[in-house]
This record gives sequence, structure tokens and C-alpha cells, in this order.
Amino acid sequence: SAVISQKPSRDICQRGTSLTIQCQVDSQVTMMFWYRQQPGQSLTLIATANQGSEATYESGFVIDKFPISRPNLTFSTLTVSNMSPEDSSIYLCSARTGLGGYTFGSGTRLTVV
Amino acid sequence: KQEVTQIPAALSVPEGENLVLNCSFTDSAIYNLQWFRQDPGKGLTSLLLIQSSQREQTSGRLNASLDKSSGRSTLYIAASQPGDSATYLCAVSPVLQGGSEKLVFGKGTKLTVNP
Repeated sequence: SAVISQKPSRDICQRGTSLTIQCQVDSQVTMMFWYRQQPGQSLTLIATANQGSEATYESGFVIDKFPISRPNLTFSTLTVSNMSPEDSSIYLCSARTGLGGYTFGSGTRLTVV
Repeated sequence: KQEVTQIPAALSVPEGENLVLNCSFTDSAIYNLQWFRQDPGKGLTSLLLIQSSQREQTSGRLNASLDKSSGRSTLYIAASQPGDSATYLCAVSPVLQGGSEKLVFGKGTKLTVNP
């Protein structure tokens, strides 16, 4: 199944700044997914990213805050913009495998101070 | 709206014990069900994927069952080890409609295996 390399693995950022998270897949995938996991909570889908089109955002998430790029079938980035302490979470990317299951990156643990 | 529930929320067992984690879902129209493991602060590792037409899948000491009609899945861990300590997440994939592929997750079961 596909393997996703995600970076950075963790970061501590100042409020008001932005962080870009990258995910590289070792095979071509149609859709990639970005999730947020707040402390002690399960995963919440932020958006779905198709190559060559605008990402589709879930309720409560907007492009200005979480811009996403999907330049090709193996790569995507998520930017967390104008960060506040409430953005402190684990961010994960995911892609669907050929068997219909999902594989995930290793996560980015973000702390905003 | 699909909802996934995992019971118990936390479980602590002595090493060597066999254990069962439970997952239930409200809408039986699923494409598949997947069990994941998550270590603290890390990403998700896929453990087992069960297609809707299957009843169970096995990998090593892990066995997952699926009863789609009753909306239930169980993850059986045999001869538990301290290295099994993690949070276990159950997620269902909906039958693809209009291209929607949104996974629905349970809140997880935090497992602690004591030496």
C-alpha cells in the first residue's frame, strides 16, 4: 500500500505566524485528505484535495485559514495561517489505497505559543 | 448521518491477557471498515481492513470481525504485550455516493498493557 512521508513531525510556532505541512506519497493518488486532531479528541476532516482543482473544505474550516495546494498526484501541502494557541493540534494527511483503505502520514504535532 | 462508537474508552490489562475492543456504527451501508493504531503524538498505522463483503481479517495476534447487518466490529488482540499500548481507532468508509470518501472515526479506545 502507499506510504506517505509527512514533515515536519513537530514544530513550536509563535502566534500570528504560519506553518506549511508537506505530504509526499510514494505513488499517485487521486484524492488526499487533511485532518486535525485536537488534544484528547478523535480526527476531524479539514478538507479533501484533488489534483488540479480547489480543495473542498468541511464545515467550520475555510481556505483563508487552511490553504491547501495539490500540484500533482503525489504531493500536497496544508498551511495553518495566522496561528493562535487554539490551533495547537496534530495535523495528519491521508490518501486512499488501491484496496479502498486509507493510509496516513506520521503526523505533525503543532504547538502555538 | 453515520456515527461510530467505540467501547470502552479506556482499558488497562496485565500482559498476556486476551482482549476485545468494540466498535459500532449506525448506518450499515459501508464500503469497508478499518482499524488503526495511534501512538501518542503520532500518526495512524493501519492494522486491518475489512471489506463490506468480508466477515473477518487476521494479522498476527490481531483478528477483526465485521457484522455489517448489526453494525458491529470487534478487534481481538491475543496475548497482549506492553508494546500494544496505544489508542485504537475504528473508522468506516461510506458507500461511495457522488464521490464522497469521508472516513468516519470513532473516538478510540486507549489501551494500556501492564508488564
